[in-house]
Amino acid sequence: QKEVEQDPGPLSVPEGAIVSLNCTYSNSAFQYFMWYRQYSRKGPELLMYTYSSGNKEDGRFTAQVDKSSKYISLFIRDSQPSDSATYLCAMSPNSGGYQKVTFGTGTKLQVIP
Amino acid sequence: EAGVAQSPRYKIIEKRQSVAFWCNPISGHATLYWYQQILGQGPKLLIQFQNNGVVDDSQLPKDRFSAERLKGVDSTLKIQPAKLEDSAVYLCASSARPEGATDTQYFGPGTRLTVL
Repeated sequence: QKEVEQDPGPLSVPEGAIVSLNCTYSNSAFQYFMWYRQYSRKGPELLMYTYSSGNKEDGRFTAQVDKSSKYISLFIRDSQPSDSATYLCAMSPNSGGYQKVTFGTGTKLQVIP
Repeated sequence: EAGVAQSPRYKIIEKRQSVAFWCNPISGHATLYWYQQILGQGPKLLIQFQNNGVVDDSQLPKDRFSAERLKGVDSTLKIQPAKLEDSAVYLCASSARPEGATDTQYFGPGTRLTVL
């Protein structure tokens, strides 16, 4: 079993739709949860990070963490064609000192105008 | 602020040949990472440097891969000899502080390696 599971998609939605992207994980030590966006032929860029359980909102993006279910989500409201990219979840055990970030496989999103 | 620079952007080699990739991190960033991203997969950490010391190279295939970070700035990743399964994008990232995950990692555009 992989430490982080993510549906690879592709996910195709019309412009303006609400998008839900999800990851599950098996390592209960994970405490920091991140979402990266990766455009084609580019490196990943950090969108948001959250610590432990709860929600975090940033503009059209909302990240949710449910540690009891080992499940994290990224919601995109009013999706735009410019949101078309691969979204990678990533997580790490703790905040201090060195730790390794484990990435999901990524979900490819296409927003159709 | 200039981003992470990588070269070359693309490389095609035959199996058993050698190849080297170069990375120049964001100025002043202490931590540098090399990741391997195989098509359809997430990035996998190969090696992490803090300044010019190795923090983690547990997933680096040391029989064929080597990396160095001279003077705690630029870094090179070498594969010798290459195998077909080494075909991937090699991403370099850097972060400002050594604390790790909560410190944003900035990625370069990657080097796309094809081994024939």
